[in-house]
Amino acid sequence: DAGVIQSPRHEVTEMGQEVTLRCKPISGHDYLFWYRQTMMRGLELLIYFNNNVPIDDSGMPEDRFSAKMPNASFSTLKIQPSEPRDSAVYFCASSLPGHYNEQFFGPGTRLTVL
Amino acid sequence: DQQVKQNSPSLSVQEGRISILNCDYTNSMFDYFLWYKKYPAEGPTFLISISSIKDKNEDGRFTVFLNKSAKHLSLHIVPSQPGDSAVYFCAASEFFYNTDKLIFGTGTRLQVFP
Repeated sequence: DAGVIQSPRHEVTEMGQEVTLRCKPISGHDYLFWYRQTMMRGLELLIYFNNNVPIDDSGMPEDRFSAKMPNASFSTLKIQPSEPRDSAVYFCASSLPGHYNEQFFGPGTRLTVL
Repeated sequence: DQQVKQNSPSLSVQEGRISILNCDYTNSMFDYFLWYKKYPAEGPTFLISISSIKDKNEDGRFTVFLNKSAKHLSLHIVPSQPGDSAVYFCAASEFFYNTDKLIFGTGTRLQVFP
């Protein structure tokens, strides 16, 4: 099993540019989560999906952030326009039905906004 | 408002000794707790969990203790090994109330030296 796949692993962009982060969950997992890791706040949940449907997006910081899950094997997190304070590591995680507390994380995307 | 707090950002322990990582929570509705371990440039991986109906759960060198009255849990690693050097995240959820979210702490960086 390949695990959760995220791309790109590193992204450097300039303020005001659009950024798209991608995630492929583990096959058969019906929950998908997007997190942001910062030194000050640790791992923050941004949004999560169940069976491709967004369930809770209360962690999305602003309207500049949006997430989609068009099918069971792909999700995107988009930031438009990006700002320097968005610089962080973004993780995607997925989990099995009935085991949603034990989440499997991808390697993360390190985003730097200059 | 941090519902899950890890007040020690770092801990240094000699190889072979016990490592104790602490976590406090404020939400009395939390009923399921997990510890994740994270190596640099990797996503967090699940380590051990405990339900609120227990006060202890053991898995090899790792033991998690839960004190519900104090809203406190701890992770004990005995004996500590250099390979245990990582960032440890405590997480909590309202599992039995059908809430899918995990709330993470800010993490504790453990360094095990020879």
